[in-house]
Amino acid sequence: DGGITQSPKYLFRKEGQNVTLSCEQNLNHDAMYWYRQDPGQGLRLIYYSQIVNDFQKGDIAEGYSVSREKKESFPLTVTSAQKNPTAFYLCASSLDRVETQYFGPGTRLLVL
Amino acid sequence: SQQGEEDPQALSIQEGENATMNCSYKTSINNLQWYRQNSGRGLVHLILIRSNEREKHSGRLRVTLDTSKKSSSLLITASRAADTASYFCATVRAAGNKLTFGGGTRVLVKP
Repeated sequence: DGGITQSPKYLFRKEGQNVTLSCEQNLNHDAMYWYRQDPGQGLRLIYYSQIVNDFQKGDIAEGYSVSREKKESFPLTVTSAQKNPTAFYLCASSLDRVETQYFGPGTRLLVL
Repeated sequence: SQQGEEDPQALSIQEGENATMNCSYKTSINNLQWYRQNSGRGLVHLILIRSNEREKHSGRLRVTLDTSKKSSSLLITASRAADTASYFCATVRAAGNKLTFGGGTRVLVKP
């Protein structure tokens, strides 16, 4: 069953804590993306990766970090430097940079 | 900054009616894509239309693209309650390598 998965569905962060959101795909896609969505808003690009061991900052990368050690995995770390992390985080993948993106179900991050 | 801007921001219609939403963008594009998002869920791809195409259909969906006006429209015919969702346009710039999303149109289809 091919697809893209994200975990956890809900994540709670304490002040000063780093948290990591998981994103895995078995679609054999080269490109992967992380977006942030605030209530009633569109998606804003945080980071993207076009190939293993390479990634680029998107429009709102400050306070976030990523790695791409495997083709299937693109975890996102929300660091303590991100002062307003409460949002819905969406991961996506695509065959290449300009084609259709396939989205995971999202992770909702809340601050305690 | 947002490349695509949807209009209207919200739309309420009766089941069976057609729903039309528009997307305007600012720079030359490689392609334009429409996505649907049900509340609290991930996005689902609907249609991709390339810069050299003018119209595409998929089931009850019809997308047009006017590159001279830098605009696109999505028409949902014979709407159903299950069409209730937010609809987003997203563009890939002509020399670009990423999607840029608009703010979306929230569609409510009343039974």
